[in-house]
Amino acid sequence: TQLLEQSPQFLSIQEGENLTVYCNSSSVFSSLQWYRQEPGEGPVLLVTVVTGGEVKKLKRLTFQFGDARKDSSLHITAAQPGDTGLYLCAGTNAGGTSYGKLTFGQGTILTVHP
Amino acid sequence: EAGVTQSPTHLIKTRGQQATLRCSPISGHTSVYWYQQALGLGLQFLLWYDEGEERNRGNFPPRFSGRQFPNYSSELNVNALELEDSALYLCASTRIREGSSYNSPLHFGNGTRLTVT
Repeated sequence: TQLLEQSPQFLSIQEGENLTVYCNSSSVFSSLQWYRQEPGEGPVLLVTVVTGGEVKKLKRLTFQFGDARKDSSLHITAAQPGDTGLYLCAGTNAGGTSYGKLTFGQGTILTVHP
Repeated sequence: EAGVTQSPTHLIKTRGQQATLRCSPISGHTSVYWYQQALGLGLQFLLWYDEGEERNRGNFPPRFSGRQFPNYSSELNVNALELEDSALYLCASTRIREGSSYNSPLHFGNGTRLTVT
């Protein structure tokens, strides 16, 4: 069974601070996706990383895929109250019993206070 | 483009009853996934349907079942409901392209909140 561990589980910060969320596994993933979910809504895709060592930027958000494709991080610069939400990482592996299945981490609840 | 729609939004059942949840994917999407989200945290994979066939299922008992219709919409059925089945059930759709490595992003609906009393 492939598992993804996210840390921290909860993060409460002030507006303007920086933060990093980590997503780790002992398994290799062919790709990793990050989603953001707001209360009462389904998760929305932020980014997909595919290549080991890949770095993608989305405005103030920076996503990195580990060289061995076992881990990923999400860094937010100068957090704003609008960044508040549940951040989920999810890994894809096309092989074996994981065929077609997206495995999710348990999520990080981020609260940014004005 | 209309997004993934799920119905009902909320469902209240008593223990032992059956629940049926429905999902309409984005037009052109042939794959439908079902996930269970308890306590507002991580998603647990339930079922994956593609082109009308069940392709994979998660570690859930057989009383969780479903199907996909010719128009690619899907139903999730939960029999003999238990209190711990209370959760948000999310449906997602995507289009698997032949030769892809199944990296297609999922488009989620807003879920059905199932409460078992």
